[in-house]
Amino acid sequence: DAGVIQSPRHEVTEMGQEVTLRCKPISGHNSLFWYRQTMMRGLELLIYFNNNVPIDDSGMPEDRFSAKMPNASFSTLKIQPSEPRDSAVYFCASSGLGTSGGQYQETQYFGPGTRLLVL
Amino acid sequence: AQSVTQPDIHITVSEGASLELRCNYSYGATPYLFWYVQSPGQGLQLLLKYFSGDTLVQGIKGFEAEFKRSQSSFNLRKPSVHWSDAAEYFCAVGPDTGRRALTFGSGTRLQVQP
Repeated sequence: DAGVIQSPRHEVTEMGQEVTLRCKPISGHNSLFWYRQTMMRGLELLIYFNNNVPIDDSGMPEDRFSAKMPNASFSTLKIQPSEPRDSAVYFCASSGLGTSGGQYQETQYFGPGTRLLVL
Repeated sequence: AQSVTQPDIHITVSEGASLELRCNYSYGATPYLFWYVQSPGQGLQLLLKYFSGDTLVQGIKGFEAEFKRSQSSFNLRKPSVHWSDAAEYFCAVGPDTGRRALTFGSGTRLQVQP
């Protein structure tokens, strides 16, 4: 299993440009999460999808951010226009919901992240 | 709201010494607890997890963690640290009710001296 795949690994762009981050979840996982990591705020959830449907986007900072999941094997996070304060590491994670003994259990597996620098 | 506290921002140990990284959580129900490790420039790798059952959990790379409900703690331990263990370690609790978000601690950076 290749794990969660993210691209690009690094992105440097200028303020005002559009940035698109990509994620391929682990095959068979039905949930996908986008997190952002910054020094000031640590790791925080931006949005997650279940069966390709966005369930909770309350963590998305503002309208400049959008995410899509057109199929079970691909998701994008887009920032348009980008700003210097968007500089961070963006992680994608996936999970497969499971139950054990009637209890809901979930483990999220993370990709390598995309390091974004907006100048 | 749930929260995770990792009191130690930075820890330095000598290679071969034992290690304990502290994690305290606040959670309204039975918590699911995780430890992840992040090597420099890398993603988050799952070390171990606790859902229920035996409170002593074994993970990869020789790590273990013990869930203590009375202390709201989930400390990570390793009996003998290797230089390759130098990294940042994150404790997480989840899922957040209704949001399925993991709540992460601020991390503990481990430095290993030769």
